[in-house]
Amino acid sequence: EADIYQTPRYLVIGTGKKITLECSQTMGHDKMYWYQQDPGMELHLIHYSYGVNSTEKGDLSSESTVSRIRTEHFPLTLESARPSHTSQYLCASSARLAGRYEQYFGPGTRLTVT
Amino acid sequence: KNQVEQSPQSLIILEGKNCTLQCNYTVSPFSNLRWYKQDTGRGPVSLTIMTFSENTKSNGRYTATLDADTKQSSLHITASQLSDSASYICVVSDRGSTLGRLYFGRGTQLTVWP
Repeated sequence: EADIYQTPRYLVIGTGKKITLECSQTMGHDKMYWYQQDPGMELHLIHYSYGVNSTEKGDLSSESTVSRIRTEHFPLTLESARPSHTSQYLCASSARLAGRYEQYFGPGTRLTVT
Repeated sequence: KNQVEQSPQSLIILEGKNCTLQCNYTVSPFSNLRWYKQDTGRGPVSLTIMTFSENTKSNGRYTATLDADTKQSSLHITASQLSDSASYICVVSDRGSTLGRLYFGRGTQLTVWP
């Protein structure tokens, strides 16, 4: 069972607000990821990190930013939320097992911007 | 372009029946293929993972097959239960990066009726 946590699980906020979605894992994994998923659609990678002080943008352009100051913590921030940011955000971490990377997902944050 | 296509998009079956979900991919170079189960409002959970040399792998009532030549995979669920209602996502990893890059299908939404 993976130990990766996300808070809040659900968030409804107004346009223009600054928000931070929290993600933490207790497995000591170096690699962490943020995905965005709309209903009925595939997951899209928006940010990833190889380790502390390493962050990269993913395939899907996102106005969000991330930071990786500690191995276990990978928060995602939206400076000014808009309705177009309404989506589910999934955090994941991975470790190399038997020659391949196994990704473990958090429960997700369902964000609604009104 | 690396892609993962799943069919059917949605499926309704009666409790106790079997079903088979399909996945076609064009990801290259291929590393491994995973099937995830995602309950509504939750993060994906890994069911099986197969490498190039593996043709079939089972996890309880779930059996996945892989034909690396035709780039097709299937997930067979036997004796379905109400708790099997979820989205089943096919995910393919490439060998081309140290990131362990994943390509996601849109999933098959399975509903099991009593």
